[in-house]
Amino acid sequence: NAGVMQNPRHLVRRRGQEARLRCSPMKGHSHVYWYRQLPEEGLKFMVYLQKENIIDESGMPKERFSAEFPKEGPSILRIQQVVRGDSAAYFCASSPGQEIYEKLFFGSGTQLSVL
Amino acid sequence: AQSVTQLDSHVSVSEGTPVLLRCNYSSSYSPSLFWYVQHPNKGLQLLLKYTSAATLVKGINGFEAEFKKSETSFHLTKPSAHMSDAAEYFCVVTLSGSARQLTFGSGTQLTVLP
Repeated sequence: NAGVMQNPRHLVRRRGQEARLRCSPMKGHSHVYWYRQLPEEGLKFMVYLQKENIIDESGMPKERFSAEFPKEGPSILRIQQVVRGDSAAYFCASSPGQEIYEKLFFGSGTQLSVL
Repeated sequence: AQSVTQLDSHVSVSEGTPVLLRCNYSSSYSPSLFWYVQHPNKGLQLLLKYTSAATLVKGINGFEAEFKKSETSFHLTKPSAHMSDAAEYFCVVTLSGSARQLTFGSGTQLTVLP
């Protein structure tokens, strides 16, 4: 049973480009969470999605960031017109339905570097 | 409000010697506390958790942590380090247990020297 799969592992973008980060949850998991870890800081919650629904995006920056979790396929975190301050590690986690930490499984993260 | 501080960003120990990774927390109410570990190219894995039962908590791979309310600490220890313990360790606090309300520390990178 594969774990939470994130790709790419590393992503390099120039300022103004778009970044797309993908997350495939564990088999049977229908809930996805995205977190961001800025340099020298801890992970911070960004957005919580269920299939085809955004449940809570209170941690998302108001502009340029969006997330989706379609009926088929992985969850996508999209950052438009990236800036240097977007450079961070982005982690995805999935759970089977209960919104508690004990049922949370994390991916290995995507390191985004903006030049 | 809650916060967590990991006092060391990097810790180096020799194989076979004790490990101490320090974590202090701040919380208005009785929190739940955990440690996660991330090995290279792997996802974060729950190492152990404290949820107001026994103050000394045992986790996987021989790690344990002690909740000390008077010191607002939750330090992670292991009597004898192994090379496979080299990883990044995150201390986490939450009041609700919700995955949306986890407060992570900035992490401690543990290096184990042969």
